[in-house]
Amino acid sequence: KQEVTQIPAALSVPEGENLVLNCSFTDSAIYNLQWFRQDPGKGLTSLLLIQSSQREQTSGRLNASLDKSSGRSTLYIAASQPGDSATYLCAVRQGSSNTGKLIFGQGTTLQVKP
Amino acid sequence: EAGVAQSPRYKIIEKRQSVAFWCNPISGHATLYWYQQILGQGPKLLIQFQNNGVVDDSQLPKDRFSAERLKGVDSTLKIQPAKLEDSAVYLCASSLGPGSWGGETQYFGPGTRLLVL
Repeated sequence: KQEVTQIPAALSVPEGENLVLNCSFTDSAIYNLQWFRQDPGKGLTSLLLIQSSQREQTSGRLNASLDKSSGRSTLYIAASQPGDSATYLCAVRQGSSNTGKLIFGQGTTLQVKP
Repeated sequence: EAGVAQSPRYKIIEKRQSVAFWCNPISGHATLYWYQQILGQGPKLLIQFQNNGVVDDSQLPKDRFSAERLKGVDSTLKIQPAKLEDSAVYLCASSLGPGSWGGETQYFGPGTRLLVL
């Protein structure tokens, strides 16, 4: 049974700092991995998607890496801003196609202080 | 383009009462998902529809939860009777569906926050 774990559960940093969020999964048979952002009272917004054959994806100040064999992914946020404060969730898509189920981690709640 | 709509946004009920949630997906999206997100946890898939057929309901507590998607558009999720442990945010998401480029990308609604007392 796939289990997705995110560490730390919460993180507070001063503005401008670079930071890394961690995600680990127990079953390497995944199709892809996604990082989502969740703001209070709102739904999830997809940030980055890494296919199982890829090593990393970048979007602006965000960079996500994937090491499928070791069951790990990291989300790197450069030059953090107060607007980055939110909960970040990683999710793996099970199986060998894009119809597999998404399995989510419990999230890391980030606070960036001005 | 309008996003995924959900109502109500908040609901407070007493245990053993019934409750229903409504979701209107993005127009043209064939696949619809209901997730349960308990405080401090990630979303857990309850049920997935492809048009009006059920693709996966393996994690739906069928003794008390039911869902339908009539005409392959809007969907309702019902809990009857509710238990204290059903307190959670219920998220609806939709996607274009298999066969479409990028069809697996899920777009989430704002959720319905349920509190069972």
